[in-house]
Amino acid sequence: NAGVTQTPKFQVLKTGQSMTLQCAQDMNHEYMSWYRQDPGMGLRLIHYSVGAGITDQGEVPNGYNVSRSTTEDFPLRLLSAAPSQTSVYFCASSQTRNEQYFGPGTRLTVT
Amino acid sequence: EDKVVQSPLSLVVHEGDTVTLNCSYEVTNFRSLLWYKQEKKAPTFLFMLTSSGIEKKSGRLSSILDKKELFSILNITATQTGDSAVYLCAVGPSSNTGKLIFGQGTTLQVKP
Repeated sequence: NAGVTQTPKFQVLKTGQSMTLQCAQDMNHEYMSWYRQDPGMGLRLIHYSVGAGITDQGEVPNGYNVSRSTTEDFPLRLLSAAPSQTSVYFCASSQTRNEQYFGPGTRLTVT
Repeated sequence: EDKVVQSPLSLVVHEGDTVTLNCSYEVTNFRSLLWYKQEKKAPTFLFMLTSSGIEKKSGRLSSILDKKELFSILNITATQTGDSAVYLCAVGPSSNTGKLIFGQGTTLQVKP
């Protein structure tokens, strides 16, 4: 099992550009989440999904879209990148609604 | 508003010391509390606690939950330089979502 994979590992965007962060898991987990991590602020939930076709907003959803067309994939779209979205992004999945497995992260810089 | 607060935010100790990390929380319908360790990359799972007063142990690490006072502690005995990391506390509210609310993290540095 590859676990949770994320691509790309690093990305630099200009303000106003759009892009999609990819996340995939091969553990057949129902629950998937996107977090962002900023210095001194821990992990903040952006969007989450409880199964294919079902998504909901987390704590900081503005500026991001998600979809969950399959159990395996949960992409995060930045619609119009802003410097405030410079962060490290983690995707996570879980089966038990408790312990979550995290991907390696994507470090995004918006200039 | 659901909230998880960790203290201290950072800590520097020497090898062999014992440390105690704190996590307090205010969430509606608490379900579980989890501890993660993060070393420069993705957080890795340490413990999950759901019942009050029960200690979870793994080697030199142990954790206990007090549901009445709404806090948890993570103890690390005989610290080693490999324990240097950010320790994250997260709380799962009782719902069918798999959501976790994270604290800010405690950065632990263990000096030789």
